[in-house]
Amino acid sequence: DAGITQSPRHKVTETGTPVTLRCHQTENHRYMYWYRQDPGHGLRLIHYSYGVKDTDKGEVSDGYSVSRSKTEDFLLTLESATSSQTSVYFCAISVQTGPYEQYFGPGTRLTVT
Amino acid sequence: AQKITQTQPGMFVQEKEAVTLDCTYDTSDQSYGLFWYKQPSSGEMIFLIYQGSYDEQNATEGRYSLNFQKARKSANLVISASQLGDSAMYFCAIGTGNQFYFGTGTSLTVIP
Repeated sequence: DAGITQSPRHKVTETGTPVTLRCHQTENHRYMYWYRQDPGHGLRLIHYSYGVKDTDKGEVSDGYSVSRSKTEDFLLTLESATSSQTSVYFCAISVQTGPYEQYFGPGTRLTVT
Repeated sequence: AQKITQTQPGMFVQEKEAVTLDCTYDTSDQSYGLFWYKQPSSGEMIFLIYQGSYDEQNATEGRYSLNFQKARKSANLVISASQLGDSAMYFCAIGTGNQFYFGTGTSLTVIP
């Protein structure tokens, strides 16, 4: 158990509204990631963080922003949600940099109507 | 860009038999890692096994082994002695630096 929680676990929102998803970890891991999972696409990396206030873009970052003001929290924000952002969002941590295994949170199912 | 291909959308295996799930990858990086994850119907992502690009021996973790053929750029997952609880989606992934790319997954069904 990597001690990762995500909130909310489910959310329904309307097009154009802002949405923030939270990832919380209890073990002070430096590296954190946000993914989205869609049918036919597997998981795709949105953003990642390699420390407090240090973040970078992944494969599908358009329309998303992130913030990390504390080691334990990594926030994903949809500034103005669109229906194409309906997805399951996973947070992950890695115990070290580089291509090492990641451990995932339980996921957040977001529906944008 | 990195690419992962899983060509088997669905697989069936008899309980207690072995099964191989295929994964090929495409990368120009010399240093990378290959991963397999399991996603049961409950939705969580479970890490199974890791292989580094410089590791000469195939990785093994219990009933899971990774058949790594670097020249062919393949990283197949072998599950021995399948169990009913192995029924799930299986994802192959490649990581280079802090970028990770997943395949579209293979659905495995274990038949009693």
